[in-house]
Amino acid sequence: DQQVKQNSPSLSVQEGRISILNCDYTNSMFDYFLWYKKYPAEGPTFLISISSIKDKNEDGRFTVFLNKSAKHLSLHIVPSQPGDSAVYFCAASTTSGTYKYIFGTGTRLKVLA
Amino acid sequence: DGGITQSPKYLFRKEGQNVTLSCEQNLNHDAMYWYRQDPGQGLRLIYYSQIVNDFQKGDIAEGYSVSREKKESFPLTVTSAQKNPTAFYLCASTTTGLGQPQHFGDGTRLSIL
Repeated sequence: DQQVKQNSPSLSVQEGRISILNCDYTNSMFDYFLWYKKYPAEGPTFLISISSIKDKNEDGRFTVFLNKSAKHLSLHIVPSQPGDSAVYFCAASTTSGTYKYIFGTGTRLKVLA
Repeated sequence: DGGITQSPKYLFRKEGQNVTLSCEQNLNHDAMYWYRQDPGQGLRLIYYSQIVNDFQKGDIAEGYSVSREKKESFPLTVTSAQKNPTAFYLCASTTTGLGQPQHFGDGTRLSIL
């Protein structure tokens, strides 16, 4: 039972355009969502997060949108740069009880120069 | 510099042997985690610990064991009972406050000889 799903295994985008990465979840108890970026043979690095009390959070070129009714979140990268090429994971957690994070399977983003 | 150190970067094991992966953090984080990454499967939780001398099984704990004798350290032992141990192993930590992201080490790649 996969509680966090990233249905697109890969995405290619032209440099300077917008990259949109999507993530769906099934557990309505999740109230904290995160995006991580990962290069090969390295650990994931935290990018941006959003609490369920918000529907948007922005940090520079990165914006995360949360649609609670659809149980869907997305990461927008504008403008996309070649250095953004990596695997992106979304993760979800509850802020009460156990501090357990559930990860999606990742989307490989390739930004073409 | 504060961070998470995983060692070694690469590890080889003969069949039937136990092997221990090291994870040390100097971030003063309460919670620590072990994940396994396989191609196309994202990060799957093996074990996690929210406080010293306490830990819980994750989704794929069979064939693994952990200890949490010190706040800074959370070693993972891959036992001979783990039938498919070849994978990339990631250690993470976080504070136990509300809405905190995890910080990851750079991982250990375990291979079977």
